[in-house]
Amino acid sequence: DAKTTQPTSMDCAEGRAANLPCNHSTISGNEYVYWYRQIHSQGPQYIIHGLKNNETNEMASLIITEDRKSSTLILPHATLRDTAVYYCIVRGNSGNTPLVFGKGTRLSVIA
Amino acid sequence: GAVVSQHPSRVICKSGTSVKIECRSLDFQATTMFWYRQFPKQSLMLMATSNEGSKATYEQGVEKDKFLINHASLTLSTLTVTSAHPEDSSFYICSARGYGQGNNGYTFGSGTRLTVV
Repeated sequence: DAKTTQPTSMDCAEGRAANLPCNHSTISGNEYVYWYRQIHSQGPQYIIHGLKNNETNEMASLIITEDRKSSTLILPHATLRDTAVYYCIVRGNSGNTPLVFGKGTRLSVIA
Repeated sequence: GAVVSQHPSRVICKSGTSVKIECRSLDFQATTMFWYRQFPKQSLMLMATSNEGSKATYEQGVEKDKFLINHASLTLSTLTVTSAHPEDSSFYICSARGYGQGNNGYTFGSGTRLTVV
C-alpha cells in the first residue's frame, strides 16, 4: 500500500472549516484513500473514503486531486469534539489486508 | 452500522499473570480480525491478523506465544496476553472485517487499556 504524508499538527477555530491535507504520491490506480480519526483513548472512527471522485457524507468531505497524488479532508464546521488525531490511509479495496496507520495529524479545535 | 464490542475497557493486572481481551462483532460476521497496540503518543501498530478458524499471522517482532489469539467463531476473537510484564502495558485495539458490514469494511473496537504493575 502507498505511503502517506500528513502534517504533524494543525489548529482550527471552532465553527470554521478544518482542511486536513494528505500526500500520497505513490498511490496506484486501484488504491482507495481512507480517513479515520481517533479521539483520545478510543478506537479509530471511520470518516470517509474515496477512489478518485470527491465524496461527501454527514461528517466530512473528501477532495482528491485529479492526479490522485494528494487529498484533503474537510470538516465544514469544526467543533471542540472534532479534536482528535486524523489518519489518512491508502489501500486497495479487495482482500483482507489490514489498515496501516501512519502518524496522522493532531487537530486541535480552539474555542 | 457495524459494531464491535471490546471488553474490558480497562484492566490492571499483576506482573506474571495473564489477561484476556475479547472482541465481539454484534451485527455482522467477522471473517478477519486485526489486533493492534498503541503506546502513548504513538500510532497504532499492527500485531497480528486472524481469519476465522485459522491460526493467526503475527507481525515481525510480535511473540506468538506471548500474545495468544483465538478466532474460533465469526463473532468472537480473543487476545490473551500471557505472563504480562510492565512493558506490555499499552492500549490494545481490535478491528474486524467481514460479511454484512457495509462499504467501509473495517470496524474498530473501543480499545482496552492494559496496565501491568
